[in-house]
Amino acid sequence: QSALTQPASVSGSPGQSITISCTGTNSDIGGHNYVAWYQQHPGKVPKLLIYDVNYRPSGVSIRFSGSKSGNTASLTISGLQAEDEADYYCSSYSTTSSVSAVFGGGTRLIVL
Amino acid sequence: EVQLVESGGGLVQPGGSLRLSCAASGFTFSDYEMNWVRQAPGKGLEWVACVRNSGTSKYYAGFVKGRFTISRDNAKNSLDLQMNILRAEDTAIYYCARGDLRYFDLWGRGTLVAVSS
Repeated sequence: QSALTQPASVSGSPGQSITISCTGTNSDIGGHNYVAWYQQHPGKVPKLLIYDVNYRPSGVSIRFSGSKSGNTASLTISGLQAEDEADYYCSSYSTTSSVSAVFGGGTRLIVL
Repeated sequence: EVQLVESGGGLVQPGGSLRLSCAASGFTFSDYEMNWVRQAPGKGLEWVACVRNSGTSKYYAGFVKGRFTISRDNAKNSLDLQMNILRAEDTAIYYCARGDLRYFDLWGRGTLVAVSS
């Protein structure tokens, strides 16, 4: 059981927008503005998409955006493209029992 | 080229030990905190351990429970993970990842650890 909760899968058609949620607690998402999102294609290495809730690293498409409200963070992908089909993971800095990082269980994005 | 390259994975029996290594290049290794993150076959990502820049502060996931030790050698640009008392559930790809606990911006390709009799 992962520390952060994500839906197992989401789907959308090309051109549409989708949102993936990530729910935690006051000790991780709710207590710190340190949420990150990663994209992982099958057999590939995770790629950082968003950090510190809503910042994009250089080179990441503006179609990817992040937000947070309370204990829930969200990743929105606009203008869905076929190459966006992948697994998406959220992570957060956590102070539950000790300093740590926690991941969500991952969400499979299916582009119809 | 900025990269991380892991090595040391393999097949080990339950209760055995293994030492993973990560070679960093293309950036000032001593400026960054470093981590190990693992991914069991067909499963999600799981943070394992972090070591601060100087190597003096270390943090571990609860499931490690004293079995794993993370270390670094800034002179050699290398990161290690000593894993003892390995269990079947430790079977995973182990990634070396750059970053503090807020996010991980550079990942190696990973090394596979299989724990089985």
